[in-house]
Amino acid sequence: EVQLLESGGGLVQPGGSLRLSCEASGFTFSGHAMSWVRQAPGKGLEWVSSITGSGVGTYYAESVKGRFTISRDNSKNTLYLQMNSLRVEDTAIYYCAKLHGAIGTQNWGQGTPVTVSP
Amino acid sequence: QPVLTQASSASATLGTSVKFTCTLSRGHSSYIIAWHQQQPGKAPRHLMKLEDSGSYTKGSGVPDRFSGSSSGADRYLTISNLQSEDEADYYCETWDSNTRVFGGGTKLTVL
Repeated sequence: EVQLLESGGGLVQPGGSLRLSCEASGFTFSGHAMSWVRQAPGKGLEWVSSITGSGVGTYYAESVKGRFTISRDNSKNTLYLQMNSLRVEDTAIYYCAKLHGAIGTQNWGQGTPVTVSP
Repeated sequence: QPVLTQASSASATLGTSVKFTCTLSRGHSSYIIAWHQQQPGKAPRHLMKLEDSGSYTKGSGVPDRFSGSSSGADRYLTISNLQSEDEADYYCETWDSNTRVFGGGTKLTVL
């Protein structure tokens, strides 16, 4: 059974940093691209970033480009999202997601909340 | 990059059917999409992949009541024999080589 367990969320001031982690199990982690997707309070889903299985290819939404960095450690089956220069509008639940090339987002984690507030 | 358009809300009566529409932007009518369900207070759940041909592949454990179809740039999700637990938000998703996009979501109220 695929499991994705996010951690690292919390309360941070504007301009601060946080690093989210997603521990994966139940599948061959290195064989799958992964994504981060967020959901602001009362809003819809917003894609944030994706990374290829090898970690070589990384992609970002314009809203986070230059501030967020996605990475992975395939030896630890863990996905990361380093978030710098955080803004109030980054407040959201952040979901880790497993991708399948021809299916799209196939599995979702339970999410970790991030609140950016003075 | 593609854009996905969804109605913001829908309602239907218990035991009947409802059909959601997700419309792809011009130039992207051949794209594959995925449908996801998000019940209140829960994480999203993958329902199915849907191709421009109308062929769909459901995720593990998705009931037979859920089906997909396509026409041109429109992708549809139909739920038959509505149950109370179907009250949720429904999102479509598509992707290309460098980006992923979600529709704004449709909130389903089961009457």
